Amino acid sequence: KQEVTQIPAALSVPEGENLVLNCSFTDSAIYNLQWFRQDPGKGLTSLLLIQSSQREQTSGRLNASLDKSSGRSTLYIAASQPGDSATYLCAVRPPGGSYIPTFGRGTSLIVHP
Amino acid sequence: NAGVTQTPKFQVLKTGQSMTLQCAQDMNHNSMYWYRQDPGMGLRLIYYSASEGTTDKGEVPNGYNVSRLNKREFSLRLESAAPSQTSVYFCASIQRDSSYEQYFGPGTRLTVT
Repeated sequence: KQEVTQIPAALSVPEGENLVLNCSFTDSAIYNLQWFRQDPGKGLTSLLLIQSSQREQTSGRLNASLDKSSGRSTLYIAASQPGDSATYLCAVRPPGGSYIPTFGRGTSLIVHP
Repeated sequence: NAGVTQTPKFQVLKTGQSMTLQCAQDMNHNSMYWYRQDPGMGLRLIYYSASEGTTDKGEVPNGYNVSRLNKREFSLRLESAAPSQTSVYFCASIQRDSSYEQYFGPGTRLTVT
């Protein structure tokens, strides 16, 4: 059974820092990996989607990498801002047309001015 | 596109009451999902519908029923609400093309007293 772990569970950094959030998964046979952002009291917003054949995806100040062989993905946030404060979740999807992703429990990020 | 919409946003029920949470998506997605999110428990899958006309149990289906009314709509029913069902409920859908990207609704915050 696939397990997804996100460490640390919480992170507090000063504004302007570059930071890395981690997502580990136990079964390297995945179809894709998706990073989400969740603001307090809101739904999940998709940030980046990496297919199993890709190594990384970029959107603005965000860069997500994928290393299937080691079962790891990282979300890099450059020049962090207070508006980046949120919970970040990753989800992995198995191959073979399965419709059920496995979610990590998220990293709660606070960027203070 | 409105994406994934959910109604109501908030609801308070007494123990034993029933209610239906509504979900609709306008992205022509085949697969739809109901999750609950509780502090310290992460996202847990209640039911999903891989395609119109099919539904399947997820990790925590007890106390819930679902209906895939048509391709757009997927409802979740609590027949006899219990305090343990106090939670935030999210509906989601997946783009079943090559990407399998998942989209979430804004959530329904349910309190059962």
